[in-house]
Amino acid sequence: KAGVTQTPRYLIKTRGQQVTLSCSPISGHRSVSWYQQTPGQGLQFLFEYFSETQRNKGNFPGRFSGRQFSNSRSEMNVSTLELGDSALYLCASSFQAFSYEQYFGPGTRLTVT
Amino acid sequence: KNEVEQSPQNLTAQEGEFITINCSYSVGISALHWLQQHPGGGIVSLFMLSSGKKKHGRLIATINIQEKHSSLHITASHPRDSAVYICAVQLNTGNQFYFGTGTSLTVIP
Repeated sequence: KAGVTQTPRYLIKTRGQQVTLSCSPISGHRSVSWYQQTPGQGLQFLFEYFSETQRNKGNFPGRFSGRQFSNSRSEMNVSTLELGDSALYLCASSFQAFSYEQYFGPGTRLTVT
Repeated sequence: KNEVEQSPQNLTAQEGEFITINCSYSVGISALHWLQQHPGGGIVSLFMLSSGKKKHGRLIATINIQEKHSSLHITASHPRDSAVYICAVQLNTGNQFYFGTGTSLTVIP
């Protein structure tokens, strides 16, 4: 089985721009979760999608949004980028929910200048 | 306020040593995860626990729900075990996931 894939792997954007990141889960997995990792804050939970519905959400501003498609692929969008949004963005998929074992993608490294 | 505390933050061991990493949490949880992150960012889920003990190869994870504490043990440590180990908990309300700050392990040959 192919693992979780994320595109792009690296991205450089300018303050004020918006960005869309993509995540393709393991075949058969219906839950996709997104996380942000920074040196200062560590790993933080962004949100989780299951069957095209956002089920859970972390404490991030509304500039961070996401969606899931019928094939379980997910995208997350960050609007009006700030310097502090520079981070490694990880997605993980699991069979049913994020209380099940999660399989992580390699991440997208976003740099905001 | 950190809902999840890990200790130690950094750990250096000689190859072959027995290693213990601790995780304490202050919230009600439905599950606790141990994750391994290698340089370059890739994360692997090692264990998911809601009670008791699990073993996989040289790795053992235990959890004490009453004491809100979990430990990850590595027996016969090897340089390839060098990584950051992260404890994460899912609230029993189901809607949040909190992470510890990680333990950076270096195993010296």
